[in-house]
Amino acid sequence: DVVMTQTPVSLSLAIGQPASISCKSSQSLLGTSGKTFLNWILQRPGQSPKRLIYQVSKLYSEVPDRFSGSGSETEFTLKISRVEAEDLGVYYCWQGTHFPHTFGAGTKLELK
Amino acid sequence: QVQLKESGPGLVQPSETLSLTCTVSGFSLTSYSVSWVRQPSGKGPEWMGRMWYDGDTAYNSALKSRLSISRDTSKNQVFLKMNSLQTDDTGTYYCTRVTTEGPYFDYWGQGVMVTVSS
Repeated sequence: DVVMTQTPVSLSLAIGQPASISCKSSQSLLGTSGKTFLNWILQRPGQSPKRLIYQVSKLYSEVPDRFSGSGSETEFTLKISRVEAEDLGVYYCWQGTHFPHTFGAGTKLELK
Repeated sequence: QVQLKESGPGLVQPSETLSLTCTVSGFSLTSYSVSWVRQPSGKGPEWMGRMWYDGDTAYNSALKSRLSISRDTSKNQVFLKMNSLQTDDTGTYYCTRVTTEGPYFDYWGQGVMVTVSS
């Protein structure tokens, strides 16, 4: 199975500060279609996960443009240009290229 | 609008079988696939398996011997059955919609908490 490794485990940031989360996979996530199925989700406290980014860098329509995703093959990054209060929660990367799909252990974003 | 809602027993005895239902609305099960994902408390999610739009299934190999996913398209429902439950099967179980553009989960249900305990 593909192992997804996220760092850091937690982030404590003030409103307005930038955030960066790393996600590394044990195998390349470039699929035979030429697409890379690396996705990000956010789980706010007490809620089910919500979609954020798909295919490395594509934002869902409701996601603010302060979020961005980048990377290729085995190394990926989620960035928030300026953290806002509604951004707190646990961020997970997960891969859909290989079966079984696998998730990272999560990065908890807390407000300082 | 698109909705998914899980239902099932909150408490299951060890060695018993878990049966969950995912009732969907706002889309057709013959056009979209549905996956089951579970999450132990305080841990990352685990993909369990998928019911494809064409009726085929895919399972996580770690669970395949215990897991069965089926559906009733007339009732807009997807079912999960997993036998031989143990305490480490405790967690929140979600169903998710898989987009037609690729293996992305664009909608998640609210989840159902399942505790395995005697």
